[in-house]
Amino acid sequence: QVQLQESGPGLVKPSETLSLTCTVSGGSISSYYWSWIRQPPGKGLEWIGYIYYSGSTNYNPSLKSRVTMSVDTSKNQFSLKVNSVTSADTAVYYCARGRAGEDWYFDLWGRGTLVTVSS
Amino acid sequence: AIQLTQSPSSLSASVGDRVTITCRASQGISSALAWYQQKPGKPPKLLIYDASSLESGVPTGFSGSGSGTDFTLTISSLQPEDFATYYCQQFNSYPRSFGQGTKLEIK
Repeated sequence: QVQLQESGPGLVKPSETLSLTCTVSGGSISSYYWSWIRQPPGKGLEWIGYIYYSGSTNYNPSLKSRVTMSVDTSKNQFSLKVNSVTSADTAVYYCARGRAGEDWYFDLWGRGTLVTVSS
Repeated sequence: AIQLTQSPSSLSASVGDRVTITCRASQGISSALAWYQQKPGKPPKLLIYDASSLESGVPTGFSGSGSGTDFTLTISSLQPEDFATYYCQQFNSYPRSFGQGTKLEIK
């Protein structure tokens, strides 16, 4: 079955760039919307944005100036970059798939990866 | 941006109880609402979409209702595995947003 796996550094220094990759296994990245969602420790969920397999994107305005998403269909991967990070960016970062070719709600999630921003 | 407010924020209940969680949107979102269950250390799991459609594999004890601004998630008879945090999420407009969560604890 299709699985998602986040990967990337677990520790990032303040003012630097957070970079994560999500690998899609057991299925194709094509024809789906792929989102990043984060959850600060002990808090709720925040949608960061999506990237369609074709490369089109939509970002949350709260993060838009600092976020870049990209997709590599040949590797079945998509990526997230958040620049100029602060401690407020410390969170578990999830990648997730939009249901049935739409970006409405999320039927498949990665296990999540904790990123801590600290010097 | 659409704000979703869940109530209560936390709830203590017993196995076998019927439980209702409410999600109120700051503006009308038709039926563009999903519900998720999250257990500690795990990603959210989709339970309900389109306000009232049960995701495949989810027990029939879960149900959702509502449209416009007011929505409910009901668990008809709590099972031990149902103790978790529940989130609503709207997909009527961007940015997608979640409620703050309702933590369901064992009484």
